[in-house]
Order: sequence, then C-alpha cells, then structure tokens
Amino acid sequence: GQQLNQSPQSMFIQEGEDVSMNCTSSSIFNTWLWYKQDPGEGPVLLIALYKAGELTSNGRLTAQFGITRKDSFLNISASIPSDVGIYFCAGQNRGGSQGNLIFGKGTKLSVKP
Amino acid sequence: DADVTQTPRNRITKTGKRIMLECSQTKGHDRMYWYRQDPGLGLRLIYYSFDVKDINKGEISDGYSVSRQAQAKFSLSLESAIPNQTALYFCATRQGSSGELFFGEGSRLTVL
Repeated sequence: GQQLNQSPQSMFIQEGEDVSMNCTSSSIFNTWLWYKQDPGEGPVLLIALYKAGELTSNGRLTAQFGITRKDSFLNISASIPSDVGIYFCAGQNRGGSQGNLIFGKGTKLSVKP
Repeated sequence: DADVTQTPRNRITKTGKRIMLECSQTKGHDRMYWYRQDPGLGLRLIYYSFDVKDINKGEISDGYSVSRQAQAKFSLSLESAIPNQTALYFCATRQGSSGELFFGEGSRLTVL
C-alpha cells in the first residue's frame, strides 16, 4: 500500500529557532494534511492543502503542497515551548479506500526554553 | 465535554483477557475509525465504518473486532489480548470523504 516517509523523526531545538519537516511519497496524493498531537491528547488538524503548489499559513505555521503532488513540508517560525508535540503528515486520495488518510510516522519536536 | 469520547482512558490487563474500548461522538458524523499508535510507527488504521451497517478492515485488523452499535458509537474489541497489543488507541470521526478527521483523547492499553 501507499506509504509516507516523514522526516526528521525527532528534533531538539532552542526556543526562537525555525523548524522544517517534510513528507514524501512514491505515489501521488490529492490532499495533504498536517496534524499536531500534544502530549496526552489526540491529534488535531493544523493545515489542509488541496492543490499542487498551494502554500498555506496558519499563524507561525506554513505548509506547502509539492508541485509533483508527492511531497509536502511544514515550517514553524520562531518556535515557542508550546510547539512541543508530535507532528504528523497525512495524505489522501479520493479514489483510494474511499478517502482514507495515510499517515506518516511523525516528527517529535522538543523545544528548549 | 469532548466531541469524541473514549473509555476507558487507561487500562491494564493480562494476556488472554477480553477487552473492549468504547467510543462515542456528538458531532453527528457518519464515519468512524479506530487507529493504533506505537512509538516511531505513527497512526495505523485498524477498522473503519461509514455507517451503522458498514464495517471495513484497515491496515492491521488481525486480533481485533469492532461493532457499530449506533451512528454515534463504535467499539473496538480484543477477544484475547496479547502483549504486542500494548499501545495507545485512538477513535476518530469524519463527515463524508473530505471532512476533517476529529480524534478522541486516546485509550492507553497495557497487556501484561
């Protein structure tokens, strides 16, 4: 089945630094999504991307849907301690399993004050 | 109150025991899902249901069963729990094929 390669697996950064993570796939997706999981909670949607080349921002977060439709990245600018958590990318194809999401393995972000 | 509620939040059990994890939602969504999260493996789909009479196997359904008792309720059962089923389990709901996926707060299961 389809798989997503998400990197890096973990990051340890200083407060105030910018963060970048990405997902790649061997196959095309029609939708890319980015979720964040706070410690002890379920994942919550951050950004959804629906069109190749689309660049979308949500506060300090920016995500892009790759032109080839096989990749996406998420940037976080000026990180703060509450950015700590696990970030998941997810891809969706409308034709596959009736729209079920395929998740990456996550990027665990730690922020040092 | 949470829109997607999972019970229990934590459970410790022994090998061979039958376990049921329950999920209920107040969002009125038609689709419900059960995922399993293991460190470094991300979220893997166990079962999903598009309505009360529809049950589908996901990526890792072996050793699990589900029941969609009503549109708002979707339970996951482990008929005979084994240690490698120790994990964090999430229920999620969605409206249609393009709606946002909403997750519950998770149920941590430990099988000794």
